[in-house]
Amino acid sequence: AQSVTQPDIHITVSEGASLELRCNYSYGATPYLFWYVQSPGQGLQLLLKYFSGDTLVQGIKGFEAEFKRSQSSFNLRKPSVHWSDAAEYFCAVGPPNAGGTSYGKLTFGQGTILTVHP
Amino acid sequence: GAVVSQHPSRVICKSGTSVKIECRSLDFQATTMFWYRQFPKKSLMLMATSNEGSKATYEQGVEKDKFLINHASLTLSTLTVTSAHPEDSSFYICSARRQGGYTEAFFGQGTRLTVV
Repeated sequence: AQSVTQPDIHITVSEGASLELRCNYSYGATPYLFWYVQSPGQGLQLLLKYFSGDTLVQGIKGFEAEFKRSQSSFNLRKPSVHWSDAAEYFCAVGPPNAGGTSYGKLTFGQGTILTVHP
Repeated sequence: GAVVSQHPSRVICKSGTSVKIECRSLDFQATTMFWYRQFPKKSLMLMATSNEGSKATYEQGVEKDKFLINHASLTLSTLTVTSAHPEDSSFYICSARRQGGYTEAFFGQGTRLTVV
């Protein structure tokens, strides 16, 4: 069965510092990979996604993620964190078959809460 | 863009009553919608997959008689929590997959259900 692990439940960084949020997955094949952000009481906003190709993916709000097949990882990074980045971040995986009936069905990690100190 | 709207965003209901949550794709047709539940300080767990014109497929452990899902059109799926109890209080989020094409599923803003 597929699973997603975000080892860090809570991370605190200072504003302007760099950030890396870890994500490891277990899947039968290379899945589609996603990072979402959720502000308190809000829905999910897609930051970036990886389907294939270049393993370094650029997203919105200055975020990027790198897919490493050998490590089954898809870590999220940002070079300089802003106070508005404080939120909860979810890594998710989905089946890689376009058009398959389960396409779009995601398995989420536990989430990482990011706190930003001024 | 692809916009998915959920209604209501918040609802409080009395124990024993039923509550309906709507998930609409506003600018695209969605053959498939997914319903997730998020427990406090927990991740999102898939409850069911809703396919237009057919019965929903429920994940293991989800009571289909308690969480009724209807997907009567290509733009609307509803989740009805029947005979709600306080333990049903949660954040429910839907996502919709575009008909045809090749894109990710798009999420609604979620519904906070509180059963008192």
